[in-house]
Amino acid sequence: QSALTQPASVSGSPGQSITISCTGTSSDIGPHNYVSWYQQHPGQAPKIIIFDVNNRPSGVSNRFSGFKSGNTASLTISGLQAEDEADYYCSCYTSWTTVLFGGGTKVTVL
Amino acid sequence: QLQLQESGPGLVKPSDTLSLTCTVSGYSINSGHYWGWIRQPPGKGPEWIGNIYPSGSTYYNPSLKSRVTMSVDRSKNQFFLHLTSVTAADTAVYTCARPNPDYNTRPYAFDIWGQGALVTVSS
Repeated sequence: QSALTQPASVSGSPGQSITISCTGTSSDIGPHNYVSWYQQHPGQAPKIIIFDVNNRPSGVSNRFSGFKSGNTASLTISGLQAEDEADYYCSCYTSWTTVLFGGGTKVTVL
Repeated sequence: QLQLQESGPGLVKPSDTLSLTCTVSGYSINSGHYWGWIRQPPGKGPEWIGNIYPSGSTYYNPSLKSRVTMSVDRSKNQFFLHLTSVTAADTAVYTCARPNPDYNTRPYAFDIWGQGALVTVSS
């Protein structure tokens, strides 16, 4: 199993919207709606911000939204804020009852 | 409030076994869902190591399966990770985490993480 593919970096200005893609295969992302997204600030543990493609845990801003089409999932951050600058990782539950993570995307707020 | 805390040696010699303990506090490990281990090499993304159920059933990352053993001690509210024949490539922050069963019964959405334990493999 290979890691899910994410762009290394994405940037945007405050107030803009950005989208991070996460590409898998027909054996991991494709068959199920079991995709999650994590935000990680330096020196901290990852924080889950999306589960099951487009569900937000309690307390997570509605500026974060998820989507999936075929073997690719995506995370959109709307109304970009300085505090959104962090690393973002996608993850999924596979057909083999294993968990895969993406390589990560560094979001920079210009 | 559920908290997780990793403990174990911070330095392991090449070819030795890495052993870590995760202590669960504020919550019973017998609560009927999985617990997991995840590692993150410096500057890289997370890598799932495996999940364990309180009964002892396990699911491992296929790339690590030949070297990984996870176990649980329900009386101590702890679960464990053992990784054999380590090399420098196993240097990482090792974290225990809880996949929230209220999000999905499939154990993949980790909402509670320990602070992580840096394990360096070096002679």
